Amino acid sequence: AQTVTQSQPEMSVQEAETVTLSCTYDTSESDYYLFWYKQPPSRQMILVIRQEAYKQQNATENRFSVNFQKAAKSFSLKISDSQLGDAAMYFCAYRSASEDKIIFGKGTRLHILP
Amino acid sequence: DTGVSQNPRHKITKRGQNVTFRCDPISEHNRLYWYRQTLGQGPEFLTYFQNEAQLEKSRLLSDRFSAERPKGSFSTLEIQRTEQGDSAMYLCASSPFPRAVPLGKPIYFGEGSWLTVV
Repeated sequence: AQTVTQSQPEMSVQEAETVTLSCTYDTSESDYYLFWYKQPPSRQMILVIRQEAYKQQNATENRFSVNFQKAAKSFSLKISDSQLGDAAMYFCAYRSASEDKIIFGKGTRLHILP
Repeated sequence: DTGVSQNPRHKITKRGQNVTFRCDPISEHNRLYWYRQTLGQGPEFLTYFQNEAQLEKSRLLSDRFSAERPKGSFSTLEIQRTEQGDSAMYLCASSPFPRAVPLGKPIYFGEGSWLTVV
C-alpha cells in the first residue's frame, strides 16, 4: 500500500524568508501524481501545486516550487518570500494513476513569524 | 460555480444517535469523495462515487457508516449509533472525470462538517 510521510509536524519561518517542507512517499508504481494541499485554520483545503511523476521538470506556481526526486521518492515544497497568509497546515498527497483516491500525509503546520 | 458545499458545518450529538451530513459537489463534477480528518492528522479516505455508483469503500467505513449519491448529484453520509471515536471532521470533495483527462486533476474540497459526539 502507498504511504505518505511528512516528518515535520511543525515549522516556523520568518516573514519574507524561504522555507522547505519535506515529504517522502512509498509506492511500487511508476505512474502517479503528487500534490501539496494547504489547509488554513477553519478553512477549506486548497491545492497549492501538482507534479506528474512522468515529468522530470519540477513544478512551480509563483512563490511555490517543488523538488521532486523520483528515485528517492521525495517531494519537498519550497515557499519563497513567505507571507503571513501562508500560515496553514500543509499536506503532501499521492494519487496513483490506476486508482482514484488521494492518500495524504499527516501534515506540517507552518507558522509565519512577523 | 460556488464550490463544494457541506452541511451542517457543525454537529454535536449524543452517543448512540444517528447523524447525516450532506455534500453538494461542484456542478458537473461526476466524482465525489468522502474523507475523515481528526485533529492533527491528514484526511483519511472513506469512499468515493462516480455519478451514483459507489466505486470504493475504505475499511475505515464500518457498517455504521453509509454513503449514498442517489441521483449522481448531492451525496449524504450517515453515521448510525454514533460513538465518541466518530468525532472528526468529515470532508467532501469532488472532481471532474472526463475520460480524456488524466487522473492528475486535483480534487476540490468543501469546508468540512465537524462532528462532536458527547
